[in-house]
Amino acid sequence: DAGVTQSPTHLIKTRGQQVTLRCSPKSGHDTVSWYQQALGQGPQFIFQYYEEEERQRGNFPDRFSGHQFPNYSSELNVNALLLGDSALYLCASSSPGIEQPQHFGDGTRLSIL
Amino acid sequence: LAKTTQPISMDSYEGQEVNITCSHNNIATNDYITWYQQFPSQGPRFIIQGYKTKVTNEVASLFIPADRKSSTLSLPRVSLSDTAVYYCLVGGLGGYQKVTFGTGTKLQVIP
Repeated sequence: DAGVTQSPTHLIKTRGQQVTLRCSPKSGHDTVSWYQQALGQGPQFIFQYYEEEERQRGNFPDRFSGHQFPNYSSELNVNALLLGDSALYLCASSSPGIEQPQHFGDGTRLSIL
Repeated sequence: LAKTTQPISMDSYEGQEVNITCSHNNIATNDYITWYQQFPSQGPRFIIQGYKTKVTNEVASLFIPADRKSSTLSLPRVSLSDTAVYYCLVGGLGGYQKVTFGTGTKLQVIP
């Protein structure tokens, strides 16, 4: 049973560019959340997708956007990259309505030069 | 969202029991308490979750007092591989959680 998978594992971009990160949820999960984790900090909630719609959003600018596909996989898009966007981006999946915690992937390490 | 407070770091010798306490004074009635473990450059790994009293699984125990304003993660007989950051979170059920992580507790296991 595959867990949460994310791609790519590492990515290097320059300021002003745009990036797309991808996530496949754990089998049986239909809700996907994205987090940003800066070095030495805890993960910060970006947003959550369910039924292909953004359901909740953290305190992130609209340069951060996402999408969820009918197969429950998800993408995180970041436009106009800033140096401060350098971080580990984590995806987590879960199933609503049952007593189950979120399961996390190992993230995409994004470096902005 | 309930805010959590944990010690920033802890040291323990190999083979000892480690207890990490988390304070969550504003926990809501329908909030669960969940603990995650994170190694460098990896995603957080679920350890244990509970609502009240005591929960035990194959790797840890979670103690929750009656007022639920705190919780204690207990790791029996830690090994060097338990060196990691441990996060305490409180929130609603599964998919509806807007999870808020604190800074976590960095546990260093010493040989």
